[in-house]
Amino acid sequence: DIQMTQSPSSLSASVGDRVTITCRASQSISSYLNWYQQKPGKAPKLLIYAASSLQSGVPSRFSGSGSGTDFTLTISSLQPEDFATYYCQQSYSTGTFGPGTKVDIK
Amino acid sequence: EVQLVESGGGLVQPGRSLRLSCAASGFTFDDYAMHWVRQAPGKGLEWVSGISWNSGSIGYADSVKGRFTISRDNAKNSLYLQMNSLRAEDTALYYCAKETTYSYGHGYYFDYWGQGTLVTVSS
Repeated sequence: DIQMTQSPSSLSASVGDRVTITCRASQSISSYLNWYQQKPGKAPKLLIYAASSLQSGVPSRFSGSGSGTDFTLTISSLQPEDFATYYCQQSYSTGTFGPGTKVDIK
Repeated sequence: EVQLVESGGGLVQPGRSLRLSCAASGFTFDDYAMHWVRQAPGKGLEWVSGISWNSGSIGYADSVKGRFTISRDNAKNSLYLQMNSLRAEDTALYYCAKETTYSYGHGYYFDYWGQGTLVTVSS
């Protein structure tokens, strides 16, 4: 089975900061990597699919990159509504999620 | 508007069974694969099971294999999860999610999610 890891597990940032979250797969998954945002008490929301494709309606400050085993999610200028937990998910095989990265206010 | 509404959760004793349902609307249900994803209190997301549009392909997480059974009824636009031999570690909010495929064989994502139904396994 493919295992997913994320780093950091949490981070504190300020509005306007550039934030980068890393996701790593235990084996190559090509570009079959998705990113989701989850706010407390809410269902996850798709942000990025196929490693770098922005889901319709998602602000352009969100971007994704990577292929193979190493991927990043970048928020170019953190906004108040971006404080949430972010999960990566591989779709190369069964849809394993990473453990999540919580972004909170510094 | 796509809607996914889960039901069937509740408090159940260890070793007992429960059946979850997900009612889908706003899209052509039998065109899409569907999944169950769970989230234990205060924890991350865990993919549980998925089923193709025609039930021809089914998968399970190792943690539930042999105990849970996913199924669907396309005539009723409904997804199900039969959960047997429940354990305390199955306590979680269970979401159903719609899959959209962008690359045959591997590339897919979950573009719509329900609000979840809570399953609590405790004596």
